[in-house]
Amino acid sequence: EVQLVESGGGLLKPGGSLRLSCAASGFTFSNAWMSWVRQAPGKGLEWVGRIKSKTDGGTTDYAVPVKGRFTISRDDSKNTLYLQMNSLKTEDTAVYYCLSQRSNYFDYWGQGTLVTVSS
Amino acid sequence: QSVLTQPPSVSGAPGQRVTISCTGSSSNIGAGYDVHWYQQVPGTAPKLLIYGNSNRPSGVPDRFSGSKSGTSASLAITGLQAEDEADYYCQSYDSSLSVVFGGGTKLTVL
Repeated sequence: EVQLVESGGGLLKPGGSLRLSCAASGFTFSNAWMSWVRQAPGKGLEWVGRIKSKTDGGTTDYAVPVKGRFTISRDDSKNTLYLQMNSLKTEDTAVYYCLSQRSNYFDYWGQGTLVTVSS
Repeated sequence: QSVLTQPPSVSGAPGQRVTISCTGSSSNIGAGYDVHWYQQVPGTAPKLLIYGNSNRPSGVPDRFSGSKSGTSASLAITGLQAEDEADYYCQSYDSSLSVVFGGGTKLTVL
């Protein structure tokens, strides 16, 4: 059974930093492209970024609102995906989901972790 | 404003058929990129419902179907059930913006 378990969310002030983790199991993590998607309270889904498998180059791609502030990385030895978030803004407040990506769609989602940025 | 446009809400009685539209443009759906659909029951994470315009993952009832034409796509739900009450999101790829989602549609089962 595929499982994606996010952790690391919390409450912090604008300008702060936070690293989210996503522990993956039930599939060959090293072969998977992985993404982060967020959902602000009461709002829709917003793609944050993606990292390819190392076999496919391991490159990252980001949405415009987070480019230059967020960094996605992976540790295939630990089957773990990361999202480093710096210079956080109040508009970054959201539930952050870790997802496995197949082609251009997302086949499995984690349960999400809440990040609240507030002064 | 989302790149893909969905109606904010739709409703139907049990047993009825409802459709949810997803309208894009020549840089996403109209450029030939596939459309995918997700179901989000309140308080839970989204779940893949339809991929590649019209394909259902294992376990998704055949009451759910998807189609795509031109710059738009549709999700149809037949034999509406109370458990179908949820938010539905379409998703595609945009040549300038990468992954894009619709704003979501809240389905109410009357």
